[in-house]
Amino acid sequence: DIQMTQSPSSLSASVGDRVTITCRASQSVSEFLNWYQQKPGKAPKLLISRASILQSGVPSRFSGRGSGTDFSLSISSLQPEDFATYYCEQSYTVPVTFGQGTKLEI
Amino acid sequence: EVQLVESGGGLVKPGGSLRLSCAASGLTFSNAWMNWVRQAPGKGLEWVGRIKSKTDGGTTDYTAPVKGRFTISRDDSKNTLYLQMNSLQTEDTAVYYCRGGSKDWGQGTLVTVSS
Repeated sequence: DIQMTQSPSSLSASVGDRVTITCRASQSVSEFLNWYQQKPGKAPKLLISRASILQSGVPSRFSGRGSGTDFSLSISSLQPEDFATYYCEQSYTVPVTFGQGTKLEI
Repeated sequence: EVQLVESGGGLVKPGGSLRLSCAASGLTFSNAWMNWVRQAPGKGLEWVGRIKSKTDGGTTDYTAPVKGRFTISRDDSKNTLYLQMNSLQTEDTAVYYCRGGSKDWGQGTLVTVSS
């Protein structure tokens, strides 16, 4: 199975900060890497697919980059509604696997 | 607007069975590769398995911990996805989400396995 390792596991930041979350795959997943945002008690929401494709309706302050084994999600200017947990997911092969999550806190 | 609505969760004893359903609307269900994803209380996301569309073979794949115990099926005439869970273990306690492709998620249904 492909292991997905996110860092950091938690991150404290302030409104207006720029933050970056990284995700490393144990082997290449090409560009088949998705990023999700999850708020407490809610289903995850797809933010970015194929490593860098911003989903419709997702603010442009979110961006993704990377390919192969190293990926990142950046938020250019944190807003109050961005404080949540973020997961990466590889969909290159089964079993599909997620990172352990990054909790973004104030 | 895509809607996925799970049902069938509840409390079950270890060794018991449960069948979850996911009713889909707003998408061409028969063309969709459908997934189940679960989340144990306070934990991260875990992919359970998926079923391809019939035109892509209709085959299923599962994560190792559920292989041989869980079965995913679909009824395209009813736009409904199923997850049959047998030999349930306490470690299967989680919110179970159905997901269409990567984007569309249901609200989840809680399965609690406890004596």
